[in-house]
Amino acid sequence: DAKTTQPPSMDCDEGRAANLPCNHSTISGNEYVYWYRQIHSQGPQYIIHGLKNNETNEMASLIITEDRKSSTLILPHATLRDTAVYYCIVRVEDWDNYGQNFVFGPGTRLSVLP
Amino acid sequence: AAGVIQSPRHLIKEKRETATLKCYPIPRHDTVYWYQQGPGQDPQFLISFYEKMQSDKGSIPDRFSAQQFSDYHSELNMSSLELGDSALYFCASSFRGTANTEAFFGQGTRLTVV
Repeated sequence: DAKTTQPPSMDCDEGRAANLPCNHSTISGNEYVYWYRQIHSQGPQYIIHGLKNNETNEMASLIITEDRKSSTLILPHATLRDTAVYYCIVRVEDWDNYGQNFVFGPGTRLSVLP
Repeated sequence: AAGVIQSPRHLIKEKRETATLKCYPIPRHDTVYWYQQGPGQDPQFLISFYEKMQSDKGSIPDRFSAQQFSDYHSELNMSSLELGDSALYFCASSFRGTANTEAFFGQGTRLTVV
């Protein structure tokens, strides 16, 4: 069963913020939200992850709702190079389950338009 | 910064042959994951290792085997190759510094079975 739901595709104008939603209504207390992206046939690229607080790094911001049932990845100023498939992944994080895999897909195909 | 190294980058094999893919994790990373991505599909988890022990297993065919060596590099051995094994194979690595950690992916090996 899929743990996350994402829209299959989105468009964004270059220079504008891209807001990618993800629903994870069955998320458990010890599950983190991860975001990866894959630019055509390249290896998936880590973007950001969080548990319950909002997170920001040099690539993006992650906004997690207070009930943790959904989140939004924000690319503040999208460029053409941000065109990719974006994956929202929920993953258990605890010592007993270390090495548990990341489950990909289906993600959101983001097209940044010039 | 050093990244995950996979070799070879491209491999062409005939049906029923054997292939070995190699993965060199980021220095000090102790966990390795293997993924398979068929044409137009999302990455599918095959298997993972932590400290040379299998830690999680996905949809890896019985014809495939993998191991992690004392220097933490990993090899995926694929026997009796079939046309359907043609895919991108990604390796990722992470460090169990804390239970909360991201994985970084290599650029993949493109296997073509003819």
